[in-house]
Amino acid sequence: NAGVTQTPKFRVLKTGQSMTLLCAQDMNHEYMYWYRQDPGMGLRLIHYSVGEGTTAKGEVPDGYNVSRLKKQNFLLGLESAAPSQTSVYFCASSAPSGRTGNEQFFGPGTRLTVL
Amino acid sequence: QQQVKQSPQSLIVQKGGISIINCAYENTAFDYFPWYQQFPGKGPALLIAIRPDVSEKKEGRFTISFNKSAKQFSLHIMDSQPGDSATYFCAPPRESGGFKTIFGAGTRLFVKA
Repeated sequence: NAGVTQTPKFRVLKTGQSMTLLCAQDMNHEYMYWYRQDPGMGLRLIHYSVGEGTTAKGEVPDGYNVSRLKKQNFLLGLESAAPSQTSVYFCASSAPSGRTGNEQFFGPGTRLTVL
Repeated sequence: QQQVKQSPQSLIVQKGGISIINCAYENTAFDYFPWYQQFPGKGPALLIAIRPDVSEKKEGRFTISFNKSAKQFSLHIMDSQPGDSATYFCAPPRESGGFKTIFGAGTRLFVKA
């Protein structure tokens, strides 16, 4: 099992450019998440999905869009990148249960720099 | 909205020493309280989690304890090793029974050899 994979690993954008980050999981998890990690701020939830075809806003959704057309994939889009979106982006997936709680499995991250 | 305050921000411990990280959490009606470990350049990974039916859980050198009156969870790492050097996050659910998570700001641990 590859677990959670993210593409690309690194990217540099100019202000105003657009891009899409791809997340894929092979654990058949219903729930998927996009987080951003900034120094001293932990991880903040951008958007999440509780199943194929569904998405919802997290804590910091502005400037981002997402899609979940297939259960195993969760895409994060930046339509017009801004320097404030310079961050490390993590995708995660989970299958919450009463027995095991909500252990989230994270991808390796995408380091994005917006100039 | 639930808040999580994690301390200290950074910690330096000698090899063999005890590392203690605290997390103050408003909601005492939790059903699952995990700690995640993150190595540089990697995503976080679940380290250990506790449920409300116990006040302490131990897995190897790692122990979670819960002080209900202080509304505080603590992670203890006994016999700390250089390989434990990482960032640690407490990550409780936003609400009891919910799946959305609040992450603490993180504690960077460095264990000196």
